[in-house]
Amino acid sequence: GNSVTQMEGPVTLSEEAFLTINCTYTATGYPSLFWYVQYPGEGLQLLLKATKADDKGSNKGFEATYRKETTSFHLEKGSVQVSDSAVYFCALRKRMDSSYKLIFGSGTRLLVRP
Amino acid sequence: NAGVTQTPKFRVLKTGQSMTLLCAQDMNHEYMYWYRQDPGMGLRLIHYSVGEGTTAKGEVPDGYNVSRLKKQNFLLGLESAAPSQTSVYFCASSFPPDEQFFGPGTRLTVL
Repeated sequence: GNSVTQMEGPVTLSEEAFLTINCTYTATGYPSLFWYVQYPGEGLQLLLKATKADDKGSNKGFEATYRKETTSFHLEKGSVQVSDSAVYFCALRKRMDSSYKLIFGSGTRLLVRP
Repeated sequence: NAGVTQTPKFRVLKTGQSMTLLCAQDMNHEYMYWYRQDPGMGLRLIHYSVGEGTTAKGEVPDGYNVSRLKKQNFLLGLESAAPSQTSVYFCASSFPPDEQFFGPGTRLTVL
């Protein structure tokens, strides 16, 4: 079946450190891949996406590359800020019947300290 | 535009009580979704709708009902609440195949 596996958190970093949050997926075919971010007390917001192999999604200094050969979509940022503290969800989108389904990983909490 | 809004933001129920969660979107999106978020489990799809007057089951539909009488609204009902339904509920909408936009969530506690 389709599934998404993320590294467990929390991930605690100092400001300006390098961030990697690992995400791997299992799916038939070639799903679109997404990273969503959830700030405290808020809903999920789309951070970046990639729709085909070797695509790189990027936004707000975050990047992730769709790697078909390793079925991965790791999230990276070169220099994190305190304001990046949030929960990050990796997700894949598959066509289902008459709609599209998002399958989420369990989320990784990031805490950035000054 | 308000985007996706949810009411109420918080609710406490006793076992066996009923309630309805309201989701509204002002983006003219065709598709709407209800998810629940539980610790360590990410979001799981409860029900979804591909247009006014349509509904379909998601991954975890048992104990919930939904209705989409108007395009902009998607209601989630709990007929007889159980402690296992304690969760944070998120509504989302989309104009497929574009991204889903999420509401701020409703925190429900069933005692």
